[in-house]
Amino acid sequence: SQKIEQNSEALNIQEGKTATLTCNYTNYSPAYLQWYRQDPGRGPVFLLLIRENEKEKRKERLKVTFDTTLKQSLFHITASQPADSATYLCALESGGGADGLTFGKGTHLIIQP
Amino acid sequence: DADVTQTPRNRITKTGKRIMLECSQTKGHDRMYWYRQDPGLGLRLIYYSFDVKDINKGEISDGYSVSRQAQAKFSLSLESAIPNQTALYFCATGLAGTDTQYFGPGTRLTVL
Repeated sequence: SQKIEQNSEALNIQEGKTATLTCNYTNYSPAYLQWYRQDPGRGPVFLLLIRENEKEKRKERLKVTFDTTLKQSLFHITASQPADSATYLCALESGGGADGLTFGKGTHLIIQP
Repeated sequence: DADVTQTPRNRITKTGKRIMLECSQTKGHDRMYWYRQDPGLGLRLIYYSFDVKDINKGEISDGYSVSRQAQAKFSLSLESAIPNQTALYFCATGLAGTDTQYFGPGTRLTVL
């Protein structure tokens, strides 16, 4: 079955720097990968989708890369701000005949002023 | 979040009680999902529905049931609540194709 790994430890970044979060996956080759943001006690919010034939996708200060050879996606936030502090989840097609998405457990990002 | 609403937002109940969590959406999506989230375990899929006549079990369906009353409504029931069902429950709608999902605000359920 699909397995997704995100760094479970909190990531502390100084304001203004670039934050880079990693999502690794095994046992499947998804057609696309998605990133979501979740604030405490609230539902995840969709941020970006990148397809297998896209190396990079950008949206404002966000950039996502997708390396299907390494089975890895990197999520970058440039010029980070304290308001970017949240948990970021990656999600893939569940694969193996199952429908829907499989979510990683998320990485907690803390941007320090 | 306003496009996907969940009621109640918070609920405290006792072991053995029947509980229903309701979800409504105005996004016009055919796909709807129920997840639970526990600290350290992430989001886990309970049930999903791709249209009114389609109901499917997810990863952790035991102890739960669902009803898709209309395209816009998807309810989750706990027939006899137990303490390990204490969790944050999310409803989501999804787009066909990429399955990008849109989540409700969540229901915090505590079973004593």
